[in-house]
Amino acid sequence: DAMVIQNPRYQVTQFGKPVTLSCSQTLNHNVMYWYQQKSSQAPKLLFHYYDKDFNNEADTPDNFQSRRPNTSFCFLDIRSPGLGDAAMYLCATSRSRGSYEQYFGPGTRLTVT
Amino acid sequence: AQRVTQPEKLLSVFKGAPVELKCNYSYSGSPELFWYVQYSRQRLQLLLRHISRESIKGFTADLNKGETSFHLKKPFAQEEDSAMYYCALSPLNNAGNMLTFGGGTRLMVKP
Repeated sequence: DAMVIQNPRYQVTQFGKPVTLSCSQTLNHNVMYWYQQKSSQAPKLLFHYYDKDFNNEADTPDNFQSRRPNTSFCFLDIRSPGLGDAAMYLCATSRSRGSYEQYFGPGTRLTVT
Repeated sequence: AQRVTQPEKLLSVFKGAPVELKCNYSYSGSPELFWYVQYSRQRLQLLLRHISRESIKGFTADLNKGETSFHLKKPFAQEEDSAMYYCALSPLNNAGNMLTFGGGTRLMVKP
């Protein structure tokens, strides 16, 4: 009965090699979020989609992009990963802008070699 | 800009002892405050939010606007409460449900 699914759970990529992380949801929620969480730090919002409307946080590096082809799926693309991009990436959803509970996926741990 | 501070990285208590996880925030407007919890090998999930005024799993949290705090309390800790706890803030009436998280406090409840 997984509601927010992230694949893969662990991803290893090489320095500078593009990588894509995926998230899917069975909740039919309008809003999807991507967070970056580095070791022993707080989750940090990268961007979110309200339906197809993309919203980038001001300090999210240009190296990070996102796609949401439909309600269920959202992708995080890292164009040229650096060593500093190694982190846990969390996907979350919420029903709408007026609904504040966010439902999180299990995360994808990205290692950059 | 908003900020959430959890001053304790680790809090260790014995089973049956009271527990208080501290959270302080800074935000110029009206915030909504949350506690999220992550148990071992599980995903991050909502524990409670101030606007609901609920007690979840014996935990309560009161928003103190004067002290800009939202401390999480439980009178008698249980071993199953051991987890990572994150305090989070969202501006009320915010169109995007933006959450700003604190750094988290790891609660360890010893038998």
